[in-house]
Amino acid sequence: EPEVTQTPSHQVTQMGQEVILRCVPISNHLYFYWYRQILGQKVEFLVSFYNNEISEKSEIFDDQFSVERPDGSNFTLKIRSTKLEDSAMYFCASGEVANTGELFFGEGSRLTVL
Amino acid sequence: SQQGEEDPQALSIQEGENATMNCSYKTSINNLQWYRQNSGRGLVHLILIRSNEREKHSGRLRVTLDTSKKSSSLLITASRAADTASYFCATDTGRGNMLTFGGGTRLMVKP
Repeated sequence: EPEVTQTPSHQVTQMGQEVILRCVPISNHLYFYWYRQILGQKVEFLVSFYNNEISEKSEIFDDQFSVERPDGSNFTLKIRSTKLEDSAMYFCASGEVANTGELFFGEGSRLTVL
Repeated sequence: SQQGEEDPQALSIQEGENATMNCSYKTSINNLQWYRQNSGRGLVHLILIRSNEREKHSGRLRVTLDTSKKSSSLLITASRAADTASYFCATDTGRGNMLTFGGGTRLMVKP
């Protein structure tokens, strides 16, 4: 069964360092998302991406964050200068259709900022 | 308060019992979805109910939607220890390409 894959599964970084989280969405999906979940808290929307551009972003997704689809398969989230409060589980998701269908989530990348 | 709030926050039952989780939301929706998350894992889609539907079944899952009360419930019948997980509702308001998740219900099913 097709699945969304994320790497790395866990990354530890120093505050102020740049981090890139990678995702390979399901191949025939057109809509891509990043969500994050701080330990024990709710899943928060960060950004959605369609047709090579951001279609929606939340207040969390400030200038420190960027997304890119550098080739036909990868979808990346970059955090330019990490802060302690960026420590969370980051989930990539993809979907076939916008809004009206289910999302398929990866297993997540746990980011720990020291 | 926020779009999509689950109730209760935690639920502990014995295997074989039914588990009911509720979700309330604030604004109108196109659809409401339920997801499951095992500890430390990704979210898995369970069921989607559209705003013009009132009830939907999938195996041991039954979801209801009351748009007049802006609420939904997820019923898991004949629960198993393997159902132990967190369950989240997520709403699609049709405004923006995104789902908004609630805080989740942590379900523990004791064998």
